Amino acid sequence: GAGVSQSPSNKVTEKGKDVELRCDPISGHTALYWYRQSLGQGLEFLIYFQGNSAPDKSGLPSDRFSAERTGGSVSTLTIQRTQQEDSAVYLCASSLMPSPYGYTFGSGTRLTVV
Amino acid sequence: TQLLEQSPQFLSIQEGENLTVYCNSSSVFSSLQWYRQEPGEGPVLLVTVVTGGEVKKLKRLTFQFGDARKDSSLHITAAQPGDTGLYLCAGAGNAGNMLTFGGGTRLMVKP
Repeated sequence: GAGVSQSPSNKVTEKGKDVELRCDPISGHTALYWYRQSLGQGLEFLIYFQGNSAPDKSGLPSDRFSAERTGGSVSTLTIQRTQQEDSAVYLCASSLMPSPYGYTFGSGTRLTVV
Repeated sequence: TQLLEQSPQFLSIQEGENLTVYCNSSSVFSSLQWYRQEPGEGPVLLVTVVTGGEVKKLKRLTFQFGDARKDSSLHITAAQPGDTGLYLCAGAGNAGNMLTFGGGTRLMVKP
């Protein structure tokens, strides 16, 4: 596609439920990143995928968070047993390769845990 | 852990004024990027600076990368209401596989 597509754009869930957030990167982009942004602040790195290499999961805040990337394209971020502190905007970005020249971000998924 | 500190956190100015946003770190970055984010959207890349001492101009925006590649600044001349938004700096390590973001500067330009 022309840009990075994320769905849903908004998600309200009850505490304790599981949620799945989807990211469709730009076609041909081998690198995919998930970030989390709270209250319009800076971005917190979560996880990074590059081609067929093992993902860099160093930013995942707890074992309730996991992500996968199927076929080197679409990625799903799963949060199990959601907590109120998980409420944030989850942003996905992709780049042509591990690039120092910048990412293209999606519009994000706003997750609200009530 | 590489950290980036942005200042100021908030800035409210009148149309036509000039401003500078700073991004500082004790770490060296292979490159540094500036993004602008509007409500409900993801950050949009404005510029990437790679060489220490590099200066890039984008219309009324001037970006500078420090000689030691630890800091950067964004200067806006004659700010306009359309410049309103959240400005984020982000530094890349040598592998370039993860960006470290600053906390952001929220700019409001009043007409």
